[in-house]
Amino acid sequence: RKEVEQDPGPFNVPEGATVAFNCTYSNSASQSFFWYRQDCRKEPKLLMSVYSSGNEDGRFTAQLNRASQYISLLIRDSKLSDSATYLCVVNPNTGGFKTIFGAGTRLFVKA
Amino acid sequence: NAGVTQTPKFQVLKTGQSMTLQCAQDMNHNSMYWYRQDPGMGLRLIYYSASEGTTDKGEVPNGYNVSRLNKREFSLRLESAAPSQTSVYFCASGGTATNEKLFFGSGTQLSVL
Repeated sequence: RKEVEQDPGPFNVPEGATVAFNCTYSNSASQSFFWYRQDCRKEPKLLMSVYSSGNEDGRFTAQLNRASQYISLLIRDSKLSDSATYLCVVNPNTGGFKTIFGAGTRLFVKA
Repeated sequence: NAGVTQTPKFQVLKTGQSMTLQCAQDMNHNSMYWYRQDPGMGLRLIYYSASEGTTDKGEVPNGYNVSRLNKREFSLRLESAAPSQTSVYFCASGGTATNEKLFFGSGTQLSVL
């Protein structure tokens, strides 16, 4: 089992749609969680951190369920510019520096 | 705002050749990282340096060496390139806390023939 698993997609949605991505992680001791965005042939960039109580940043909402060991990202009112790959990222408790990246979920937003 | 600078952007090697990927950051970060990204695999950590003067193996260190030259610079060396090392390589830097975000360089597309 991979340490961080994501549905690879692709998700094809129309502009204005709401789309949700889920991610599961295997290490129950993991402490830090993030969503990164990666555009085609570009470097990953932090989209948002994920906090235990859930957090929102504009159209984006991230949630963490420690009991079930999954993280979610909800995008409301999708824009064409949201088309990208979304990476689920987990920092295990051990060591602290061995951040683990999921393989990513591809999103295409269509006009 | 340079951030993390990686060179070269593209490189083609023949099997057995050696090369060094250079990385520098101007954000005064303590930790620096080298990742490789392959289709369907996500980013995998090759080596990291938690602070100047220290380096540690990540998930896939075989075939690579690193040098933390100073606080700014962290290089990755392939001593004898193999086709399995064909990949996109990313350098990243971050702070000292485990929940701090990572900043990535623009990547190096490496092909080994």
